[in-house]
Amino acid sequence: NAGVTQTPKFQVLKTGQSMTLQCAQDMNHNSMYWYRQDPGMGLRLIYYSASEGTTDKGEVPNGYNVSRLNKREFSLRLESAAPSQTSVYFCASIRAGTGGISSGYTFGSGTRLTVV
Amino acid sequence: ELKVEQNPLFLSMQEGKNYTIYCNYSTTSDRLYWYRQDPGKSLESLFVLLSNGAVKQEGRLMASLDTKARLSTLHITAAVHDLSATYFCAVGNNNDMRFGAGTRLTVKP
Repeated sequence: NAGVTQTPKFQVLKTGQSMTLQCAQDMNHNSMYWYRQDPGMGLRLIYYSASEGTTDKGEVPNGYNVSRLNKREFSLRLESAAPSQTSVYFCASIRAGTGGISSGYTFGSGTRLTVV
Repeated sequence: ELKVEQNPLFLSMQEGKNYTIYCNYSTTSDRLYWYRQDPGKSLESLFVLLSNGAVKQEGRLMASLDTKARLSTLHITAAVHDLSATYFCAVGNNNDMRFGAGTRLTVKP
């Protein structure tokens, strides 16, 4: 099925461990995003990639790095996990131009991360 | 900085009743989205509003946008249990989309 695929769905890390969250889309979208969702705070943008080969910081980038591996894949890395990074992480993508604006973002199913 | 405020944050309503969720934002924007999220699930796009006075309807949900007041509303008509979910508005452009905190709606029989 077409869409945004995230792995893993669940992860428990110990403080200081590292991990990479994977995201892939098969809709030929140009722009991809990583959000975190915390209770009562909506979604906050961590990093985004407006097009292949570019990445930029969002609202809450500290403690994270990203890689836009190719047009399909956009990964999020936690180098040294902290309990404050316990959250649900969503990857999203959107087509460039007016077509993308009118159809909106497509979100992945989320990764539930707990850091103990 | 763009700020987005939704209210109420929690809404419990009886089946058959009408209610409105409000989304206020602080700076001009070229688009506004409404999303639905079921517990433990991802976000599903409901409406995209692109111009002042835009109104979109899908079933028992109707969304409107007033860009001059920087206000969008999501109106629920004759609520049914299946509408129980969390509803988010999101405002901005592609690379700076800010989400409201969400309205958790519970529809009781």
